[in-house]
Amino acid sequence: NAGVTQTPKFQVLKTGQSMTLQCAQDMNHEYMSWYRQDPGMGLRLIHYSVGAGITDQGEVPNGYNVSRSTTEDFPLRLLSAAPSQTSVYFCASSYSTSPWDTEAFFGQGTRLTVV
Amino acid sequence: GENVEQHPSTLSVQEGDSAVIKCTYSDSASNYFPWYKQELGKRPQLIIDIRSNVGEKKDQRIAVTLNKTAKHFSLHITETQPEDSAVYFCAGVAYSGAGSYQLTFGKGTKLSVIP
Repeated sequence: NAGVTQTPKFQVLKTGQSMTLQCAQDMNHEYMSWYRQDPGMGLRLIHYSVGAGITDQGEVPNGYNVSRSTTEDFPLRLLSAAPSQTSVYFCASSYSTSPWDTEAFFGQGTRLTVV
Repeated sequence: GENVEQHPSTLSVQEGDSAVIKCTYSDSASNYFPWYKQELGKRPQLIIDIRSNVGEKKDQRIAVTLNKTAKHFSLHITETQPEDSAVYFCAGVAYSGAGSYQLTFGKGTKLSVIP
């Protein structure tokens, strides 16, 4: 049971480049989400999905796209990387069908640097 | 939606002393409050949680208290040890539509335990 698998662990991009951060879970969770973590800012929600084919914006969605074609996968796309997107990115999943099922299982994180 | 405020942002204690981290929430309908611990370079992981029908919950050296009237909850760590050094996040849970619930995190508290 792998849990939440996130790749890559580290990435350096040049300004203007695009890339996709991959996230997969094998727990049959309906709810998946992407957060970014910056010093002093905590975990800020970028996008989330409550099931295949359904996505919605979180607190800081600008510059990012997501899709959810399967229950298992929830990739995050950076369309045109900017230095302000330098951050640590976490993917998380949970059952989320009741308040007590919201334990978030996190991937190992991606440290992204945009130069 | 839910808004969670967390204090303090940093906390230093001597080994063996107690540490207390406090959070307030805005949504009176929230009824589940988890705490996450994130060690340096690692992913956040759930350490304890509390439901609104309970005022206090203990797990060895960790306890959480909840005051629904005042809309605040706290994490208490007794007999602190160096391995307790980490960033701690509180969270509230709010209904996000489509039969799903969503975590809203506080900004985190960096706890340093000085040997």
